[in-house]
Amino acid sequence: SQQGEEDPQALSIQEGENATMNCSYKTSINNLQWYRQNSGRGLVHLILIRSNEREKHSGRLRVTLDTSKKSSSLLITASRAADTASYFCATVFMNRDDKIIFGKGTRLHILP
Amino acid sequence: EPEVTQTPSHQVTQMGQEVILRCVPISNHLYFYWYRQILGQKVEFLVSFYNNEISEKSEIFDDQFSVERPDGSNFTLKIRSTKLEDSAMYFCASSHTSDYGYTFGSGTRLTVV
Repeated sequence: SQQGEEDPQALSIQEGENATMNCSYKTSINNLQWYRQNSGRGLVHLILIRSNEREKHSGRLRVTLDTSKKSSSLLITASRAADTASYFCATVFMNRDDKIIFGKGTRLHILP
Repeated sequence: EPEVTQTPSHQVTQMGQEVILRCVPISNHLYFYWYRQILGQKVEFLVSFYNNEISEKSEIFDDQFSVERPDGSNFTLKIRSTKLEDSAMYFCASSHTSDYGYTFGSGTRLTVV
């Protein structure tokens, strides 16, 4: 399968802790994107990292990309209850810019 | 902030009927997409649309499905002769280019009974 695969499938942490989710993929990419989905709702684009970038920040989010290992990680610092959601990585494969392919997602639960 | 609007939010239809799911993408976006998510499962790509034609479609997007951009603002997904297994959330998305991330609508929950 070409899609990204997130790890872990589910994660529960205490509010205030950092949450780290990982994504691995198999084919060379143009970019990798992370999305959040609250239960039963639409997908919200969080951050995009291009294949020539190694790290990117947006507020409490930090994304890294290691193209040699074909992996990415999403770090959410100082987690809040509102961060409870499913998080998906989505990849745009090299020379195929006509769609993104989603992984299965990580369900993040922030405990009060 | 610009939004992608989908209507209806929930559609119930009888098996064998045709449904049309509607989307209004962001006005200056050039690429349009439909995805679906069966309850509890991953988000699956259906079709991408650019320059008034399909640029790619998945194996799911067979002759039962069609897309149209009838008037320069709406982007529709038609499902003919619906089946029980078509029950899912259908998401429309648009992007300026694939390098900018996609903006998704809130989805249409299709229930086939």
